[in-house]
Amino acid sequence: DAKTTQPPSMDCAEGRAANLPCNHSTISGNEYVYWYRQIHSQGPQYIIHGLKNNETNEMASLIITEDRKSSTLILPHATLRDTAVYYCIVRVVDSWGKLQFGAGTQVVVTP
Amino acid sequence: ETGVTQTPRHLVMGMTNKKSLKCEQHLGHNAMYWYKQSAKKPLELMFVYNFKEQTENNSVPSRFSPECPNSSHLFLHLHTLQPEDSALYLCASSQDRGDTQYFGPGTRLTVL
Repeated sequence: DAKTTQPPSMDCAEGRAANLPCNHSTISGNEYVYWYRQIHSQGPQYIIHGLKNNETNEMASLIITEDRKSSTLILPHATLRDTAVYYCIVRVVDSWGKLQFGAGTQVVVTP
Repeated sequence: ETGVTQTPRHLVMGMTNKKSLKCEQHLGHNAMYWYKQSAKKPLELMFVYNFKEQTENNSVPSRFSPECPNSSHLFLHLHTLQPEDSALYLCASSQDRGDTQYFGPGTRLTVL
């Protein structure tokens, strides 16, 4: 699976949109972009995933560039409960696709 | 609430003890996973079960012994652990092996 690069940390003001970047320049055509987050000492929480089209659900939006070499996770109105480590993962969705967690981005939402 | 539960949530054990971690999923999934997360390290995949059959063992020491009696339950039996085995142990499940994985809250294990 391709590797991803994320900033180690970022701050966001409560109520504002949080835009989390992820680079995956070696992504293959059959690899999806997944986002999870992990609030301190809890299990990772699935957020969203996509292949090449932009995706939106009740938690977030995922914007994937046309060349698919980078993506941005958008939390539209950050709350204090969104403080967590956010992981961008690229994986092949087939019977052998693994989830390879990196270091992620520590997002701190401040009042 | 993801539909994946783990018990106990916290466990302290001595190096000579035998204990078991339990995971149960209420999602009707066919694949289940054990992950280990040590302090300041990324999650590491330990075992994968698909339709109750173990399909992956990532070179995990034999002092960790998984058991999957059915598609809804997964156990991790622990014996003669070392202090460096102290970690957060996470269970996950997915519809099938390649699908989105949903995690439980984890068991925080401390080995004294």
